[in-house]
Amino acid sequence: RKEVEQDPGPFNVPEGATVAFNCTYSNSASQSFFWYRQDCRKEPKLLMSVYSSGNEDGRFTAQLNRASQYISLLIRDSKLSDSATYLCVVIGPSGSARQLTFGSGTQLTVLP
Amino acid sequence: NAGVTQTPKFRILKIGQSMTLQCTQDMNHNYMYWYRQDPGMGLKLIYYSVGAGITDKGEVPNGYNVSRSTTEDFPLRLELAAPSQTSVYFCASRRGEGHSGEQFFGPGTRLTVL
Repeated sequence: RKEVEQDPGPFNVPEGATVAFNCTYSNSASQSFFWYRQDCRKEPKLLMSVYSSGNEDGRFTAQLNRASQYISLLIRDSKLSDSATYLCVVIGPSGSARQLTFGSGTQLTVLP
Repeated sequence: NAGVTQTPKFRILKIGQSMTLQCTQDMNHNYMYWYRQDPGMGLKLIYYSVGAGITDKGEVPNGYNVSRSTTEDFPLRLELAAPSQTSVYFCASRRGEGHSGEQFFGPGTRLTVL
């Protein structure tokens, strides 16, 4: 089993739709979780951290389910500008540089 | 602050040539990373460093070398380039204090080996 797994998609949704992505991780002792966004041919940029209690930033909501070992990202009222690849990042129990793992990404296309 | 800068932006190499990809950060971050990203794929860790003078291998280190003589710079050396090294290379830095800290990426170097 891969350390971090994501559904690669692509997810094609109409503007205004709500879409959700999941990311599963294998190490139950993992400590920190993040969502990054990567636009085509650009570098990844931090979208939001994922806190144990869940957190929201505008149209974006991130949640952590430790029992089932996954994190999720919910995007409400999708905009054309949300089209990108969304990468999850999991940091292992020690927090060391080596224990930072990226998922392979989920591609989202928001259609007019 | 410039953040993380990488040079060059693009490069075409012939098989067997060598080159150095430059990476500099001005945020005084301890942790620095080199990743490669093949088309339609995720990021694969090549090498990382937790501070000046300390480097270690990642998932795919073969064919590459790194050095970290200063906090700011983390160059990646390709020796004897091969077509399999055609990829986009990203350098990143992180403050490195345990579990906190965002990773900041450079704009990438797009390398083609022919």
